[in-house]
Amino acid sequence: QVQLQESGPGLVKPSETLSLTCTVPGGSISSFYWSWIRQPAGKGLEWIGRIYSSGSTNYNPSLESRVNMSVDTSKNQFSLKLSSVTAADTAVYYCARDSPGARAFDYWGQGTLVTVSS
Amino acid sequence: DIQMTQSPSSLSPSVGDRVTITCRASQSISSYLNWYQQKPGKVPKLLIYAASSLQSGVPSRFSGSGSGTDFTLTISSLQPEDFATYYCQQSYTTPRTFGQGTKVEIK
Repeated sequence: QVQLQESGPGLVKPSETLSLTCTVPGGSISSFYWSWIRQPAGKGLEWIGRIYSSGSTNYNPSLESRVNMSVDTSKNQFSLKLSSVTAADTAVYYCARDSPGARAFDYWGQGTLVTVSS
Repeated sequence: DIQMTQSPSSLSPSVGDRVTITCRASQSISSYLNWYQQKPGKVPKLLIYAASSLQSGVPSRFSGSGSGTDFTLTISSLQPEDFATYYCQQSYTTPRTFGQGTKVEIK
C-alpha cells in the first residue's frame, strides 16, 4: 500500500506563492510520475501537472506560467509551487501517483485545503 | 486540450438498478480512459483504468467499456455504498483532463 501525505500552509495571501510538499513515507518515488490535482469546493477535478522522479515535468498550460514542481528523491518528497495566487486558487490540493502500467492515478494523498485570503 | 464530457450530470436511481454513465472525448483517446468514484469529503478512488480494466479490490458490479471517443461506466446492481460522484479522465496525453462529474444520488 502506497501512502502519500500533503503538507503546507492552509492559508495563503493573494499574490503570494502557494507551496505544498507531498511525502511518500516508507516508499520510493523513483521511476514514477507524481501529479498534483486540485478541486475547488463543490467543483470538479483539475490536473495541475506532474513530475517524474528524474525531475522531468509536464504542466497544465492553463497554469504553466505560475507552476513549478520539484522532486527530492533522497527524502521521498515532491513539491508544488504556485505563484501569484488569487481566490480562484482556493481548493483542496491532492498529490497522486501516476501508475505507469495503468496510466491512471492509483494512489492519492488525503488532500489539503488551501485558502487564498488576506 | 482534450475535453471530456459526461452525461448525465446527475441521476437518482434506486438500489438494485442498473446504472450507466457515459463519457465522450473531444478527440480519439484510444482506450486511455479511467473512471473514479468520489464520496463527499473523501479522496477520489480509481475504479476502472484503460477503459475496461477493473482496479484491484473494486467490486465486479462495476464495469467499463468503449474506445475512441465514447465510453461507458456501468454499475450492474446499485448498492447503497455506490451513491457518489463519478469522474472520467483521459490519460492519452497531457494535460490530463477530467469530465465534470456525474452525481449518483439516492432516490
